[in-house]
Amino acid sequence: NAGVTQTPKFQVLKTGQSMTLQCAQDMNHNSMYWYRQDPGMGLRLIYYSASEGTTDKGEVPNGYNVSRLNKREFSLRLESAAPSQTSVYFCASHRTSGANVLTFGAGSRLTVL
Amino acid sequence: EDQVTQSPEALRLQEGESSSLNCSYTVSGLRGLFWYRQDPGKGPEFLFTLYSAGEEKEKERLKATLTKKESFLHITAPKPEDSATYLCAVPGAGSYQLTFGKGTKLSVIP
Repeated sequence: NAGVTQTPKFQVLKTGQSMTLQCAQDMNHNSMYWYRQDPGMGLRLIYYSASEGTTDKGEVPNGYNVSRLNKREFSLRLESAAPSQTSVYFCASHRTSGANVLTFGAGSRLTVL
Repeated sequence: EDQVTQSPEALRLQEGESSSLNCSYTVSGLRGLFWYRQDPGKGPEFLFTLYSAGEEKEKERLKATLTKKESFLHITAPKPEDSATYLCAVPGAGSYQLTFGKGTKLSVIP
């Protein structure tokens, strides 16, 4: 099983450009998440989707939008990228029932110039 | 507000030198404390879940323990391959939102 797959792994954008980070999981998980990780800040939740058809804001949602395309896929969109969005982005998923054991993707490193 | 604090920020050990990492938390009604390991350039990988004070979990050279206010990750006779950043996390007010600590970067020197 591939687990959680994120694309792209690396991306460089100019301020104001837009882009979408893609995430897909093959574990039949109901819940999916987007986190960002910055030095000295730890992992912070951007958005999550508890189940197909629902999305909710996390701790740092400003400047982002998400789409839960189907049960497998959860995308994160930056409409107008800013240097403050330079970060490593992680997608994660877990089964709704049971422990909150998240399975993470390998990450997408985004640089905004 | 829920908070998770990890210490130390970084720890450098000689191979075989045992030590402990700390995770203190302030959350009302703990519904689990989670330990993850993160290697450079990779996503975090789940290690343990602890639910109640006094509970212990072990995996190879790692043992996690839990009290009412903190958790410890004990590393016995570490090897260089144990070098990684160790993260702890607790569920916040909503069960879907894990609050992570900033992590402890462990380096084990041969």
